[in-house]
Amino acid sequence: QKEVEQDPGPLSVPEGAIVSLNCTYSNSAFQYFMWYRQYSRKGPELLMYTYSSGNKEDGRFTAQVDKSSKYISLFIRDSQPSDSATYLCAAGKTSYDKVIFGPGTSLSVIP
Amino acid sequence: DTAVSQTPKYLVTQMGNDKSIKCEQNLGHDTMYWYKQDSKKFLKIMFSYNNKELIINETVPNRFSPKSPDKAHLNLHINSLELGDSAVYFCASSLNGRTDTQYFGPGTRLTVL
Repeated sequence: QKEVEQDPGPLSVPEGAIVSLNCTYSNSAFQYFMWYRQYSRKGPELLMYTYSSGNKEDGRFTAQVDKSSKYISLFIRDSQPSDSATYLCAAGKTSYDKVIFGPGTSLSVIP
Repeated sequence: DTAVSQTPKYLVTQMGNDKSIKCEQNLGHDTMYWYKQDSKKFLKIMFSYNNKELIINETVPNRFSPKSPDKAHLNLHINSLELGDSAVYFCASSLNGRTDTQYFGPGTRLTVL
């Protein structure tokens, strides 16, 4: 079992929809959780990071962590075609430990 | 004004050759990383350096050797290239060794024929 798992998709939504991207993880020692966005043939770009359980909001993006169920979510409100990319979730035990990445979910936002 | 840059962007080579990938960051960070992203898109840490000192050294064949001449540069040298080395290699950097806020380069797409 991979330590961090994601449904690879592809996920296709109409412009303006609310998108929900999800990850599960198996290591209960993970405390730090990150979401990266990766456009085709580009490097990953950090969107958000959160510590432990709870929500964190940044503009149209909300990250949610539920440690009891080992579930991480990223919500995108008012999705735009420019949000079309692969979204990678990642986790680490501490903010200095190596990061374990999921395989990513491919998202297409259709105009 | 590129933050993390890598050269070359594409590298096509024959099995058995030796090649190097260079990485430079101008963010003033003190920690740099090499990641490998395989065909299934899994991004895996290979090495990290903090102030030119090796911090993370994952289970990677010893044909891969990182070199950090200074805090702003981390190069990756690969000896005796194999077909399975074909992947995209990403360099990343962060401040004070923090792995929760890393900045990635554009990647080097290596194809071994």
